[in-house]
Amino acid sequence: DTAVSQTPKYLVTQMGNDKSIKCEQNLGHDTMYWYKQDSKKFLKIMFSYNNKELIINETVPNRFSPKSPDKAHLNLHINSLELGDSAVYFCASSRGLAGGRYNEQFFGPGTRLTVL
Amino acid sequence: GQQVMQIPQYQHVQEGEDFTRYCNSSTTLSNTQWYKQRPGGHPVFLIQLVKSGEVKKQKRLTFQFGEAKKNSSLHITATQTTDVGTYFCDTQGGSEKLVFGKGTKLTVNP
Repeated sequence: DTAVSQTPKYLVTQMGNDKSIKCEQNLGHDTMYWYKQDSKKFLKIMFSYNNKELIINETVPNRFSPKSPDKAHLNLHINSLELGDSAVYFCASSRGLAGGRYNEQFFGPGTRLTVL
Repeated sequence: GQQVMQIPQYQHVQEGEDFTRYCNSSTTLSNTQWYKQRPGGHPVFLIQLVKSGEVKKQKRLTFQFGEAKKNSSLHITATQTTDVGTYFCDTQGGSEKLVFGKGTKLTVNP
């Protein structure tokens, strides 16, 4: 029983294409996140949703658009892919904010995106 | 804005040696969390520190939050090859932003 799952695990595509990565969690968590990890292992938060509401929206190109159809899902759509988008993208989830404090995050296995 | 610096970025140790990693913030933190990522894997939660000066232990791992809540540390006693991985601190500061540092990649020579 995978707690946080992502599909696909690997994604190889050409520059200029549009692609989506899906994320689902079965932990009953209220908060979900998307992170980008580059080749130097720098883990950077991109977005966070709490109860389907966007609460963190870091400075990322507007080619990246998160969509949360319900609390258990947070998908990431990327338009007009560029070479620099190549990275590993991690989805994560946690219980809702407690007094403004983020709780322990559970990460998915990651999606390795390669843009050619 | 809040900046997190992790020292060191790379660490090579001989099996059995101790290892310490620091996480320093430019601002006062409300809490900090530590994660470990094995090669090819995903980050896994280790611990959360909330109180000033707090010390928590997990077997050979000791975590400490600074008195001023501007830094934290991870100390591993007698490293083993199973300790290999990248250790991240995830901090939340006054701006309530979540910031992961660059992580420290630990390699252990048997």
